[in-house]
Amino acid sequence: NAGVTQTPKFQVLKTGQSMTLQCAQDMNHEYMSWYRQDPGMGLRLIHYSVGAGITDQGEVPNGYNVSRSTTEDFPLRLLSAAPSQTSVYFCASSLAGGITDTQYFGPGTRLTVL
Amino acid sequence: GNSVTQMEGPVTLSEEAFLTINCTYTATGYPSLFWYVQYPGEGLQLLLKATKADDKGSNKGFEATYRKETTSFHLEKGSVQVSDSAVYFCALGKSGGGADGLTFGKGTHLIIQP
Repeated sequence: NAGVTQTPKFQVLKTGQSMTLQCAQDMNHEYMSWYRQDPGMGLRLIHYSVGAGITDQGEVPNGYNVSRSTTEDFPLRLLSAAPSQTSVYFCASSLAGGITDTQYFGPGTRLTVL
Repeated sequence: GNSVTQMEGPVTLSEEAFLTINCTYTATGYPSLFWYVQYPGEGLQLLLKATKADDKGSNKGFEATYRKETTSFHLEKGSVQVSDSAVYFCALGKSGGGADGLTFGKGTHLIIQP
């Protein structure tokens, strides 16, 4: 199993550009989520999904869109990038999203918005 | 709401020293508690977890006990190695159901010197 994969690893955008961060998992996990990691802030939840066709907002959803058309994929879209979105983005998945479930994280995408 | 507080560091120790990283939480009900570790350039991976009061999670020589009376989940290791250098995150999973992710502390950067 590849686990959770993310592409790209690094990305530089200009303010106002749009892009999609890709996330895929091959563990047949129902639950997937996106976090951003900022210095001194820990990880904060952006959006999550409990299954194909179902998504919901986390703590910091503004400026991001998600969709879940398949169990495997959970892309994160930046509609109009802003410098405040400079961060490291992690995708995670777990079997069912229950409070005891272990979450498996991808290697991250480091995004810089100029 | 839920919150997790942990010492941020950096914490610098010599090899074979005893390690304690404090973690306290605020939550309603009975959350699950986790320690995740992030090695340089990688995503987070589960180190250990505890799902109910007085449970002890352990892995790779690390231990943490879920103390409901003190709302704490301190991470300990008797003899650290250089390879333990990483960022350690305490996290809680919301009780009462729901799949809206984990609440993370800000992370503790641990540096072990030979």
